[in-house]
Amino acid sequence: VQLLDSGGGLVQPGGSLRLSCAASGFSFNRYAMSWVRQAPGKGLQWVASLGGSPTNTYYADSVKGRFTISRDNSRNTLYLQMNALRVDDTAIYYCARNDGFQVVSSSWIEFWGQGTLVTVSS
Amino acid sequence: NFVLTQPHSVSESPGKMVTISCTRSSGSIAGNYVQWYQQRPGSAPTTLIYEDRRRPSGVPDRFSGSIDSSSNSAFLTISGLETEDEADYYCQSYDRRSRVFGEGTKLTVL
Repeated sequence: VQLLDSGGGLVQPGGSLRLSCAASGFSFNRYAMSWVRQAPGKGLQWVASLGGSPTNTYYADSVKGRFTISRDNSRNTLYLQMNALRVDDTAIYYCARNDGFQVVSSSWIEFWGQGTLVTVSS
Repeated sequence: NFVLTQPHSVSESPGKMVTISCTRSSGSIAGNYVQWYQQRPGSAPTTLIYEDRRRPSGVPDRFSGSIDSSSNSAFLTISGLETEDEADYYCQSYDRRSRVFGEGTKLTVL
């Protein structure tokens, strides 16, 4: 299993950024996927998850309405569209593979990408 | 939302055993699975324990998970400590609305 995160960078407050995660080594369309972030020197925060259908999602309250998780199964790629970015969104964003096909409360992370750094600053 | 409380740091000598606690503030620890993740310095997290006590393939049996309903806590025990075990350890659980991580415990193996 390999998860290659990309798309991070420096963006101004209020701006937008799209992260990508190229997956390989497993049947991408058979697993739910997630994004988890880690602010500098801080702990982990589960940001969003997406299962087999577009409506099978989870979003943390802090990103609801601003972030959108999506996937392209033909390209084995996961995305995170981040809009209205705030300074407190600054973090390393990790792409992750869930343990199953559906997003359910008991989902857990089985594999992690290496992360991509997003810095929101003026 | 509930909170998972972990000790900020623990330390122990190589070859010894250490236990890290994770206490749930509300809701039953037994009714919602707990996972444990390891993050070595400068690296991405990896999964050590899922569903309270199960180990993914490749995780040594030196790592074990348990729960205690009386203290509403989960525990990660690492036996036969090695210097490479020096890392941050995070517990994680959930309720119907949220997935929550503990704030992490820094393990020093000295």
